[in-house]
Amino acid sequence: EPEVTQTPSHQVTQMGQEVILRCVPISNHLYFYWYRQILGQKVEFLVSFYNNEISEKSEIFDDQFSVERPDGSNFTLKIRSTKLEDSAMYFCASSPGLAGVNEQFFGPGTRLTVL
Amino acid sequence: DQQVKQNSPSLSVQEGRISILNCDYTNSMFDYFLWYKKYPAEGPTFLISISSIKDKNEDGRFTVFLNKSAKHLSLHIVPSQPGDSAVYFCAASDRGSTLGRLYFGRGTQLTVWP
Repeated sequence: EPEVTQTPSHQVTQMGQEVILRCVPISNHLYFYWYRQILGQKVEFLVSFYNNEISEKSEIFDDQFSVERPDGSNFTLKIRSTKLEDSAMYFCASSPGLAGVNEQFFGPGTRLTVL
Repeated sequence: DQQVKQNSPSLSVQEGRISILNCDYTNSMFDYFLWYKKYPAEGPTFLISISSIKDKNEDGRFTVFLNKSAKHLSLHIVPSQPGDSAVYFCAASDRGSTLGRLYFGRGTQLTVWP
């Protein structure tokens, strides 16, 4: 069964460093998302991406964040200068984009630890 | 952001009995609702969904009920199995104004004991 994959599973970085989290969505899906979950809190939406551009972003997704689909398979989230409060699980998700269907399929997540 | 609420952080049920997980929402624009299951160190796994034009959707042991007037939905698992032990998240979206952005509840930890 096709699945969303994410690398790395765990990333440790120093405050102020740049990190890139990588995702490979399900191959025939058209919509891509990043969410995060800070320990003990809700899963929160960061950004949605369709047709090679950002469709929507939350208030969390400030200028320090960017997303890119550099080729036909990868979808990346970059945090330019990490802060302590960026420590969280980051989940990538994809959706087929069929009319009326909104199921999103999530990857296993990347645990980001900022020291 | 309290648009989706799961007020019970945990639920404990004996194997073979019914598990009922509840979810409330405040945004009347939500028109699609989903339940996800999550095991530790894994991502959320899609379980079942329901559109606001329906009040019930069934898939095997899982049934979701939607009460739009009360802004309430519930997930029923019958019969419950030990493998169902996980955190269950309710999520909602407004497909009319967003491209699938999901709003999640805090989750309910379900424990099914033998």
